[in-house]
Order: sequence, then C-alpha cells, then structure tokens
Amino acid sequence: KNQVEQSPQSLIILEGKNCTLQCNYTVSPFSNLRWYKQDTGRGPVSLTIMTFSENTKSNGRYTATLDADTKQSSLHITASQLSDSASYICVVISEGASGGSYIPTFGRGTSLIVHP
Amino acid sequence: KAGVTQTPRYLIKTRGQQVTLSCSPISGHRSVSWYQQTPGQGLQFLFEYFSETQRNKGNFPGRFSGRQFSNSRSEMNVSTLELGDSALYLCASSLEAGQRSYEQYFGPGTRLTVT
Repeated sequence: KNQVEQSPQSLIILEGKNCTLQCNYTVSPFSNLRWYKQDTGRGPVSLTIMTFSENTKSNGRYTATLDADTKQSSLHITASQLSDSASYICVVISEGASGGSYIPTFGRGTSLIVHP
Repeated sequence: KAGVTQTPRYLIKTRGQQVTLSCSPISGHRSVSWYQQTPGQGLQFLFEYFSETQRNKGNFPGRFSGRQFSNSRSEMNVSTLELGDSALYLCASSLEAGQRSYEQYFGPGTRLTVT
C-alpha cells in the first residue's frame, strides 16, 4: 500500500530561525513528489515539484531535497517569517500500470507555527 | 488572470440528499482534479478530468461522481449523503494532465456539512 509519512506532526519555532520538515514515502512506481503550503481556510499552494532525477529544488526561502534511493524528502525553510505559519503537505505521485494513470498519495502534513 | 473558483463556498445538507459542487479552472487550463480534505483522513484524491474524460480515479465509492464540460468547467456530485461526507472539497486545475508533473492551482474549496 502506498504511504507517505511526515514528521514532525507539529513544530513551533521563533521568527528568523530555520527549520526542516521530513517526508518518507513507500510509493511505487514513483513519478514525482510535491510540497504544498496550506494556510488555514485556504487551498494548498504549490512550493516545489521534484522528479526522480532532481535532488534539490528551491523556491525562495524554501528548499526541497529528494533522495529517491532512501525514499526520503525534506523541506528546509530559511529565516522563517510569521507568514510561514501554515500546514506543509508532502504529496507523492505514483504512475499506474496503464500509461497515463497517475495517483497522488498525501501525507498528513506538518503544522508549523512561527512565533515573534 | 483569475484563479480557480469554486461554488458554493459553504453548503449544509441532510443525510440522504445529494449535492453538486462546481469548479471553474484558470482560463486555458484543461485538467481539473477533485480532492476531499477531512481532519481525520487529511487530503484524499477523488478524480481527475482532462478534455471531458476522467483520467484518474481515487478510492472512493460510486456515490462520488464528476464530469467536465467542453469549457473545462467541472462539477462533482455526491449522492445519498452520509455524515462522513462532511469535508472541505477542493478542486485544482492545471494546463495539462495535472498529476504527472504540471503545476496544480487549488481553489478555496467548498465546505460541505452533512447533518
């Protein structure tokens, strides 16, 4: 069964500090991995999309890494801001047996709170 | 460019009723995906439509159905509502088939409450 596990479940940090969120998956066959940011009461917003051959991808203060061998990904947030307070969701897309079939498996998310 | 819009934003229904939710994608986007988000299960994939055809389907019962029109707008229908169907229903659009590697843009969601 395809699974995506995120840790920690929640995290509290002070403004200006860095943090790293983890995502471990057992999804196969792998197509791509995505990180989303979801503010309370709003739809998710895409941060990064990584394919099998990509090890690192950055989007401003957000840097995602992917180790396809160990099936692990991380999202590093640099110099956190109050606006970074949100849920961060890891999604792994698997490619189905029939060509053109792609199914996403979601992690439960990490709730990040940034305090002033 | 206008974002993804979903209507209605809030809905209260009674068990056994049916409901139809609407999603208008970003202009030019041809793929629409639907998701259910609950506190207990998190985000779950319902289905994806591309060029009026269902391309991918998650593991939901047949009470959940959808369709896409020629202008790429999509509707999702839930029949015989159950209390457990209470959730935030999100749709997302992308230029092409979204699950492969294309950027997906989410709408604000429809909050459905079943009583």
